Amino acid sequence: QKEVEQDPGPLSVPEGAIVSLNCTYSNSAFQYFMWYRQYSRKGPELLMYTYSSGNKEDGRFTAQVDKSSKYISLFIRDSQPSDSATYLCAMHKGNTPLVFGKGTRLSVIA
Amino acid sequence: DAGVTQSPTHLIKTRGQQVTLRCSPKSGHDTVSWYQQALGQGPQFIFQYYEEEERQRGNFPDRFSGHQFPNYSSELNVNALLLGDSALYLCASSPGNLDTGELFFGEGSRLTVL
Repeated sequence: QKEVEQDPGPLSVPEGAIVSLNCTYSNSAFQYFMWYRQYSRKGPELLMYTYSSGNKEDGRFTAQVDKSSKYISLFIRDSQPSDSATYLCAMHKGNTPLVFGKGTRLSVIA
Repeated sequence: DAGVTQSPTHLIKTRGQQVTLRCSPKSGHDTVSWYQQALGQGPQFIFQYYEEEERQRGNFPDRFSGHQFPNYSSELNVNALLLGDSALYLCASSPGNLDTGELFFGEGSRLTVL
């Protein structure tokens, strides 16, 4: 079993839809959870960062962490064509390297 | 303020050759990490440099080596290239005292091994 599992998609939605992206993980020691966005042929950029359990909101983006279920989510409201990218979840347990999921490729169709 | 810069952006090598990739971290950052991202996969940690020393290493063979210079820039060297080394190599920087894993990535060096 991989430490971090993420459905690679692809996921295609119409403009304005609510998008839900998810990852599961097996290591209960993970404490820091991130979502990175990666446009085609670019490096990943940090989108959201959450420590431990709970929700965090930033504009149209909401990150949720449920440590009891080992499950994290990223919600995108009012999705735009510019949101079309690969979304990578990543996590670590402090002073250790980030462990990434495979990434989910999202297309938002105008 | 320049972010993380990497060179070259693309390169093609043949099996058995050696390659050197270069990275300049974001201003104010002293820690550099290298990741390998194969097509359709998430980045895999290779190693991290801090104060010119390898601080952590992932599950990569000794063919992969690195160096950090006093100005915090870094190099990744790969010897005896294999076809499976074809990937996007990402450099990421962070402040050494930041334990949250918030990394700033460069745009990567895309290596093709023929």
